[in-house]
Amino acid sequence: EIVLTQSPATLSLSPGESATLSCRASQSVGPSLAWYQQKPGQAPRLLIYDASNRAPGIPARFSVSGSGTDFTLTISSLEPEDFAIYYCQQRSHWLTFGGGTRVEIK
Amino acid sequence: QITLKESGPTLVKPTQTLTLTCTFSGFSLTGGGQGVAWIRQPPGEALEWLALIYWNDDKRYSPSLNSRLTITKDTSKNQVVLTMTNMDPVDTATYYCAHRLGSASYFDYWGQGTLVTVSS
Repeated sequence: EIVLTQSPATLSLSPGESATLSCRASQSVGPSLAWYQQKPGQAPRLLIYDASNRAPGIPARFSVSGSGTDFTLTISSLEPEDFAIYYCQQRSHWLTFGGGTRVEIK
Repeated sequence: QITLKESGPTLVKPTQTLTLTCTFSGFSLTGGGQGVAWIRQPPGEALEWLALIYWNDDKRYSPSLNSRLTITKDTSKNQVVLTMTNMDPVDTATYYCAHRLGSASYFDYWGQGTLVTVSS
């Protein structure tokens, strides 16, 4: 099973700041990784998949870099609605999710 | 517009079998790379993929839960059913069904989720 480790567990930032979230895979997943956003009481929302493809309606302030074992989700300027938990998911070998990073208001 | 909705019991006893139904609309599970997955989330914890069924009736299960899971589809009713045997309190979670992105096993539409509590 491929284990995805997300860091940090919690990121405390102010609106307007940039957020950098990490997802590390226990073995290479190539480009086969997606990111989801989840707000309290809601289902996850697909943001970006196969490393760089934004889902419909996802703003350009969300971007992803990396391939293989190390990926980074960057939110360039946090809007109030961006404070949430973010999960990565790989599809290279079975399907697994990371443990999540909470982005909270500082 | 694609929608999915989960239904089933909110409370099951330990050792019982859980049966959840996902009723969907806006797509057909008959072709074109379509698929529906079940994913769960214990309270305050991360997401865990459970099972995935494809339009061609191919099925995939989480290796750690494979022996307890069965996923089936009824294309005439636009439903996908998940059964999980031998339920335990650690299986308490919100269970989601989700639509597979046509080109790859990521999930672009999700149901609202249903909380299942396992307790005697």
